[in-house]
Amino acid sequence: AQSVTQLGSHVSVSEGALVLLRCNYSSSVPPYLFWYVQYPNQGLQLLLKYTSAATLVKGINGFEAEFKKSETSFHLTKPSAHMSDAAEYFCAVSEVGGGGTSYGKLTFGQGTILTVHP
Amino acid sequence: EAQVTQNPRYLITVTGKKLTVTCSQNMNHEYMSWYRQDPGLGLRQIYYSMNVEVTDKGDVPEGYKVSRKEKRNFPLILESPSPNQTSLYFCASSLIGTPTPYEQYFGPGTRLTVT
Repeated sequence: AQSVTQLGSHVSVSEGALVLLRCNYSSSVPPYLFWYVQYPNQGLQLLLKYTSAATLVKGINGFEAEFKKSETSFHLTKPSAHMSDAAEYFCAVSEVGGGGTSYGKLTFGQGTILTVHP
Repeated sequence: EAQVTQNPRYLITVTGKKLTVTCSQNMNHEYMSWYRQDPGLGLRQIYYSMNVEVTDKGDVPEGYKVSRKEKRNFPLILESPSPNQTSLYFCASSLIGTPTPYEQYFGPGTRLTVT
């Protein structure tokens, strides 16, 4: 069974500071990994995804994440936080393979609320 | 505009009163899914559908029903809602790809309160 752990339910940074949101996964097969962002009163929007190509993945809004198999991690970073980055962020894992009952199922972490201070 | 729509966005109801939350997508996606979001638990899958008339249970299906009679629609039915079904519900859809799953597009959410 696959699972995702996000370390830190709340992260607070100053505007311009580095953003680091941590995600560790557990999967019995090579995973696909995703980061989603949820702004207040909105649905989830895909930030980036890892699908076994490059281990460093660049996403929208200046975010990137690095897949580290040895550490089973997929941490999300942004060099310089902006006030508009304040939101809740979710890491998710999906099993490799297109068929079977597990297709498309995303297993989400608990979420990390990012607060950006002026 | 490509989108997933849900209705209603907010709903307050009483225990035992049947309700339906509608979900519709205009992207011709085969795959559709329902999730519920609870604080500290992230999102958990309720039901999913691979295509018309093909549905299956997710991780937390108890107390819910779904149907997929048309490709674009995937309603979530609570026949006898209970307070523990108070939650934020999201519908999602995607194309089906092998082996790489396509991006799932999420609706805006439905906040349900059962008293």
